[in-house]
Amino acid sequence: KNQVEQSPQSLIILEGKNCTLQCNYTVSPFSNLRWYKQDTGRGPVSLTIMTFSENTKSNGRYTATLDADTKQSSLHITASQLSDSASYICVVSARGGSQGNLIFGKGTKLSVKP
Amino acid sequence: DTGVSQDPRHKITKRGQNVTFRCDPISEHNRLYWYRQTLGQGPEFLTYFQNEAQLEKSRLLSDRFSAERPKGSFSTLEIQRTEQGDSAMYLCASSLWAGGSSNQPQHFGDGTRLSIL
Repeated sequence: KNQVEQSPQSLIILEGKNCTLQCNYTVSPFSNLRWYKQDTGRGPVSLTIMTFSENTKSNGRYTATLDADTKQSSLHITASQLSDSASYICVVSARGGSQGNLIFGKGTKLSVKP
Repeated sequence: DTGVSQDPRHKITKRGQNVTFRCDPISEHNRLYWYRQTLGQGPEFLTYFQNEAQLEKSRLLSDRFSAERPKGSFSTLEIQRTEQGDSAMYLCASSLWAGGSSNQPQHFGDGTRLSIL
């Protein structure tokens, strides 16, 4: 069964600290993996999209890594800011799959405290 | 702002009533998606359109749900005879598909939050 598991479920860090969010998936055959940021009451916003051949991709203070062999991805946030408080959702799509085969994780809720 | 817009942002209605939501995608995007999201969960796929054609519907989309995109631009999602379990955030997204792999990001609207009394 195609699944996307994210950990931790929630995380509290102090402003200025770094953190790493995890995403493990069982989707096969793999096409791409996306990280989205979702502020409370807003729609998700794309941070990165990574294909099979990409190991790392950065977007400002966000760096995503992908290990297609172990089917794991991480999202590293550097020098966190209060505005980073949000849910971070990992989404995996299967190659040749339907649009309904975008498998969403439940997200990690990050709270950055001053 | 040229992003995806959804209307209304909030809808409160009594059980059994019909509701309709509207989504205006980014103008050059040919694909439009509807999702449902409940608290603490990721979005769940409902249906999607390529231009005006509805290409796929999830099993989650019961007979009470219908979506249209009559001119390949805006879309509507109607829920008939609403039930309390329909309470959720309904998200719309759009993307540009030019054939081949599906690596274009989906751009989401801010959703319509539906509350059934």
